[in-house]
Amino acid sequence: EVQLVESGGGLVQPGGSLRLSCAASGFSFSGYWMNWVRQAPGRGPEWMTNIKGDGSQTHYVDSVRGRFTISRDNAKNSLYLQMNSLRAEDTAVYYCARDGQARGVFDIWGQGTMVTVSS
Amino acid sequence: QSALTQPASVSGSPGQSITISCTGTSSDVGGYNLLSWYQQYPGQAPKVIIYDVSNRPSGVSDRFSGSKSGNTASLTISGLQAEDEADYYCNSYSSSSTPHYVFGPGTKVTVL
Repeated sequence: EVQLVESGGGLVQPGGSLRLSCAASGFSFSGYWMNWVRQAPGRGPEWMTNIKGDGSQTHYVDSVRGRFTISRDNAKNSLYLQMNSLRAEDTAVYYCARDGQARGVFDIWGQGTMVTVSS
Repeated sequence: QSALTQPASVSGSPGQSITISCTGTSSDVGGYNLLSWYQQYPGQAPKVIIYDVSNRPSGVSDRFSGSKSGNTASLTISGLQAEDEADYYCNSYSSSSTPHYVFGPGTKVTVL
């Protein structure tokens, strides 16, 4: 079964750090661009960042560039998101998503992990 | 704050057809055919129902169709069913600022 499972969410204070993980199974992980998409409570999804299958290219939305870092370990079929300098506005459900067509077709999503930034 | 605009809500009776619009600019919707639509139920992850403007993934009902004219894309749901009540989001590649993908704010579809 093709599956993505996120972990690592939780409660963190403003200015703190958190590392999210996404475990992939059921497909050739290294062959796909992978993405992190977040969704604040009551809001629409927000694409944040992606990484090419071999890890050679990454892109970020302006709001997280310089604070968040996407990475992957293809040997472990895992995707990561290192989040630093967290702000209240980063509070959201964080999803990892596969780009099935290498052009923004997010065809497989995880169940999401909640990140709450609050003192 | 989304760069794309969608109506906040659309409603229809069972069996009717409804259309949801997604308006952007020539830097996103109008400039590329990298436009997809997602359906989301409460507490669940989004699911892609249309990609590349008008293509349906395998397993998605043919009651869902997509199109684009200029800077506006549209999702049409034909033969509306109770199970179609959900939130719908458009997503487009954008070349403004650094290349990235942008979601619309979403449209709540209500089946009357």
